[in-house]
Amino acid sequence: QITLKESGPTLVKPTQTLTLTCTFSGFSLGTSGVGVGWIRQPPGKALEWLALIYWDGDKRYSPSLKSRLTITPDTSKKQVVLSMTNMDPVDTATYYCAHRGEDSYYSAEYFQNWGQGTLVTVSA
Amino acid sequence: DIQMTQSPFSLSAVVGDRVTITCRASQSISTYLNWYQQKPGKAPNLLIYAASRLQSGVPSRFSGSGSGTDFTLTINSLRPEDFATYYCQQSYSFPWTFGQGTKVEIK
Repeated sequence: QITLKESGPTLVKPTQTLTLTCTFSGFSLGTSGVGVGWIRQPPGKALEWLALIYWDGDKRYSPSLKSRLTITPDTSKKQVVLSMTNMDPVDTATYYCAHRGEDSYYSAEYFQNWGQGTLVTVSA
Repeated sequence: DIQMTQSPFSLSAVVGDRVTITCRASQSISTYLNWYQQKPGKAPNLLIYAASRLQSGVPSRFSGSGSGTDFTLTINSLRPEDFATYYCQQSYSFPWTFGQGTKVEIK
């Protein structure tokens, strides 16, 4: 059974760096085909993809946020960390981590399992 | 970036209705299209991947179709637990992008 859970601060001040940890079980980031992504959702708004890290270390970022984001694996701890610098009130959102699933027959990639999400508020 | 546009923004329906939600991509994405259901206060749940493949455990009243730029999610015989917001998402190219969501409400 695959589970993921996000953890980190619920409140950060503008200009601070946000560090979120995704702790997962039921899979290994060292296994071929595995990936972990981050997605956020401002209150009452749509989902926004942020970043994805693959089992081979390949990292992908949203171009609009790339300069502020860093995704880092800790395979031994079964964690993936997302850092976002220079936080602003517009970054207030629920942040989700998710397990990348795939169906190689269809060359399909998707977010198969999600964490419960963690609400981060940016305010002075 | 590939823009994903869903329609309608919201719809009202009754239990038993057949509901259709449309998602249009700003360029061809073949069948690299996924659908998620999200209920208030909960994480999204994968329904459909590769445009038409039903995720394991998802009821067969959900179906997806389309390729290229135009896609459809259909819910046959709407049930009370289906009232939620639905999102499409493309995985054709990075950055992966989501539609703005379609809220299915009770009439």
